[in-house]
Amino acid sequence: QKEVEQDPGPLSVPEGAIVSLNCTYSNSAFQYFMWYRQYSRKGPELLMYTYSSGNKEDGRFTAQVDKSSKYISLFIRDSQPSDSATYLCAMSMNTNAGKSTFGDGTTLTVKP
Amino acid sequence: GAVVSQHPSWVICKSGTSVKIECRSLDFQATTMFWYRQFPKQSLMLMATSNEGSKATYEQGVEKDKFLINHASLTLSTLTVTSAHPEDSSFYICSAQKGGSTDTQYFGPGTRLTVL
Repeated sequence: QKEVEQDPGPLSVPEGAIVSLNCTYSNSAFQYFMWYRQYSRKGPELLMYTYSSGNKEDGRFTAQVDKSSKYISLFIRDSQPSDSATYLCAMSMNTNAGKSTFGDGTTLTVKP
Repeated sequence: GAVVSQHPSWVICKSGTSVKIECRSLDFQATTMFWYRQFPKQSLMLMATSNEGSKATYEQGVEKDKFLINHASLTLSTLTVTSAHPEDSSFYICSAQKGGSTDTQYFGPGTRLTVL
């Protein structure tokens, strides 16, 4: 069983929809949680970075962490076609982001 | 910003040849760089951690002699795939951290390697 599980999708939504992306994990030592966006044939780009449980909001993006359930989410409000990409969750035990464990990614398509 | 470039963006080579991939931090000095491999529709797998002026630290299962990493300066790290074989075909991505281990990592655009 993988340490980080992420539904690969694909997920297709109409423009303006609220998108919910999720990951579950098994290692209770994970403390730092990240979401990356990766466009086709490009490197990942950091979207959100959260420490421990709680919510964090940045514009149309909200990250939620529930350590008791070992479950993290990324919500995208008012989704746009430009949000079409693969979204990767990642988590690490310490502050070294380079030692993160990544999910397989969820491919999202936002249709105009 | 924090821009990381990779060169080449894609490469095709014959089996048995060696391929070098460069990773550069363009507007900052990177004390640490990371090399990942990503197979289609799979997650990034960390191959090695590279610190300037010292030997790279490889993750379990990654062959040191096959994937040679050199971090010659604070802005350049190279990955050489030696005696490449078709199973080495993958998307190789580097990332760089500006400061210490608590800093965000910035990813390069990746290099697609196809070994015939």
